[in-house]
Amino acid sequence: EVQLVESGGGLVQPGESLRLSCAASGFTFSDYWMHWVRQAPGKGLVWVSRINPDGSIIDYADSVKGRFTISRDNADKTLYLQMNSLRSEDTAVYYCITLVGVRAFNIWGQGTMVTVSS
Amino acid sequence: DIQMTQSPSSLSASVGDRVTITCRASQSISNYLNWYQQKPGKAPKLLIYFASTLYSGVPSRFSGSGSGTEFTLTINKLQPDDFATYYCQQSYSVPPDTFGQGTKLEIK
Repeated sequence: EVQLVESGGGLVQPGESLRLSCAASGFTFSDYWMHWVRQAPGKGLVWVSRINPDGSIIDYADSVKGRFTISRDNADKTLYLQMNSLRSEDTAVYYCITLVGVRAFNIWGQGTMVTVSS
Repeated sequence: DIQMTQSPSSLSASVGDRVTITCRASQSISNYLNWYQQKPGKAPKLLIYFASTLYSGVPSRFSGSGSGTEFTLTINKLQPDDFATYYCQQSYSVPPDTFGQGTKLEIK
């Protein structure tokens, strides 16, 4: 079964850091682009970042550029999102996603909640 | 960045109704338009990709159409399980992948 499982969310104060992880199984992780998308409480979906299969191409949304770092470990089949200098507006559920066989987000993790509050 | 605008933001319908949701792109995106369904507390699920191709396992009462800048998602004979929030997303000019603001479909 193709599966993505996020972890690492939690409650942090503004300015602090958090690292999210996404464990992949059921597919050849090293062949696929991986993305992070977030959803603030009661709001819509917002793309955050992406990384290509070998990690040589990385992109970020303007809102997180310079603060967030996406990375991957293909040997461990794990995607990461290092989030620094967190702000209240980063509060959201963060989803790990990939595209397998189609040019659309067809594989989603269950999401992990990040709350930034003092 | 390409902006995606959905209408309406919400609508009420009854089981058995036919509903249509519209998604407009700020510039042409060819057919690179995807539709997702999201239920409360759950991750979104892909329904339709490339504007009109039904994703594996999605019931045939869902259909998509359109090209260029205007697209529609139609649900025929609404079932209780269809009451959810629907999002469109363009995959033509990325990054960033941009989503519509969502359409909440509620039971009348």
